Amino acid sequence: EAGVAQSPRYKIIEKRQSVAFWCNPISGHATLYWYQQILGQGPKLLIQFQNNGVVDDSQLPKDRFSAERLKGVDSTLKIQPAKLEDSAVYLCASSVIQGGSSYEQYFGPGTRLTVT
Amino acid sequence: KQEVTQIPAALSVPEGENLVLNCSFTDSAIYNLQWFRQDPGKGLTSLLLIQSSQREQTSGRLNASLDKSSGRSTLYIAASQPGDSATYLCAVSGSARQLTFGSGTQLTVLP
Repeated sequence: EAGVAQSPRYKIIEKRQSVAFWCNPISGHATLYWYQQILGQGPKLLIQFQNNGVVDDSQLPKDRFSAERLKGVDSTLKIQPAKLEDSAVYLCASSVIQGGSSYEQYFGPGTRLTVT
Repeated sequence: KQEVTQIPAALSVPEGENLVLNCSFTDSAIYNLQWFRQDPGKGLTSLLLIQSSQREQTSGRLNASLDKSSGRSTLYIAASQPGDSATYLCAVSGSARQLTFGSGTQLTVLP
């Protein structure tokens, strides 16, 4: 089965510019997550979708970050305007209930964002 | 709030050694625990998932154990190889099924 797809893989922008990332989860996976991974740290959850509804966005900096999941499949994460501290790898993951108990998450390759 | 700690932060061993990576978490009310591998510039690859009702999982040379009551997990790698060099991340899932990650252990296996 195809994995989680993300694009672009790399992006360099100047501060105050805007940027958007795209994620296509594994087919049939209802739950989609966006994580931010700063260099040297573990990933931190930004937002979780169940189908096209938001489950948790408590750690999303809503003054500059936004995310949507149209038709419960693909998702986009946008930053506007970007700050230097947004430089990180943005990871998308998806999961599905397996036997009612697994929720194992599968990750995409990530988008490495550099803000100069 | 769940906190996950991984010790050591970095580890260097000669090829062929058996090694143990440690993970601890503060809230024992977890749903499951996952160990991931991350290669430089790459995404995360799931290695093992342990349900909260399980004690351990094995895959090839990897064995992960879980002691939920004490808030600890270990990842045992047998007969390490240079190809095992990567960062290993531990993550726990709570009631909302969201993962809280540790900062990882950077493993280098020397030929």
